[in-house]
Amino acid sequence: NAGVMQNPRHLVRRRGQEARLRCSPMKGHSHVYWYRQLPEEGLKFMVYLQKENIIDESGMPKERFSAEFPKEGPSILRIQQVVRGDSAAYFCASSPDAGGSYNEQFFGPGTRLTVL
Amino acid sequence: QKEVEQNSGPLSVPEGAIASLNCTYSDRVSQSFFWYRQYSGKSPELIMSIYSNGDKEDGRFTAQLNKASQYVSLLIRDSQPSDSATYLCAVTLDRGSTLGRLYFGRGTQLTVWP
Repeated sequence: NAGVMQNPRHLVRRRGQEARLRCSPMKGHSHVYWYRQLPEEGLKFMVYLQKENIIDESGMPKERFSAEFPKEGPSILRIQQVVRGDSAAYFCASSPDAGGSYNEQFFGPGTRLTVL
Repeated sequence: QKEVEQNSGPLSVPEGAIASLNCTYSDRVSQSFFWYRQYSGKSPELIMSIYSNGDKEDGRFTAQLNKASQYVSLLIRDSQPSDSATYLCAVTLDRGSTLGRLYFGRGTQLTVWP
């Protein structure tokens, strides 16, 4: 039973390039969350998606960041024109049903983004 | 501001002892409470969830929730060196569009020495 999958595991970009992070939720899960963990800081919520819908993107910067979860394929977090401050670990989590707030979220291995 | 506070530690206990980790939260509509374990360089791993006041036990782990006092704790009995990690407290709110998102504390670093 495969868990949450993320790729790539490590990504190096130069300033100004684009970064694309992919996440495939656990089988049977239809809710995807993205979190960012900066060095020496806690995990911060970015965006919550269901298939073809963005439910809550209030934690995601309005400039340069976007996310999608298409009908087919993985969820994608896209960062355009990356800057050094975007260097962080980006984690995806999935849950079977938001069920109000009683969902348990299971995390993928993360993508470590380094911006040179 | 949805705040989840944890003692940053480090907390150091000998092997076989009980490790006690605490977490307080500021928002009274906090609904669900979770403890995650994160090893250095790895992703968070869910170890406990608790939704109602009282204790919940799972193996060597016991979560305790007191909504009136707005705190949740995690006890680890018979601590092992393999328990050495950062423990993250997370809560969800029962409020509108924030349903589902986790609010994390900054974590408590636990070291269990042989």
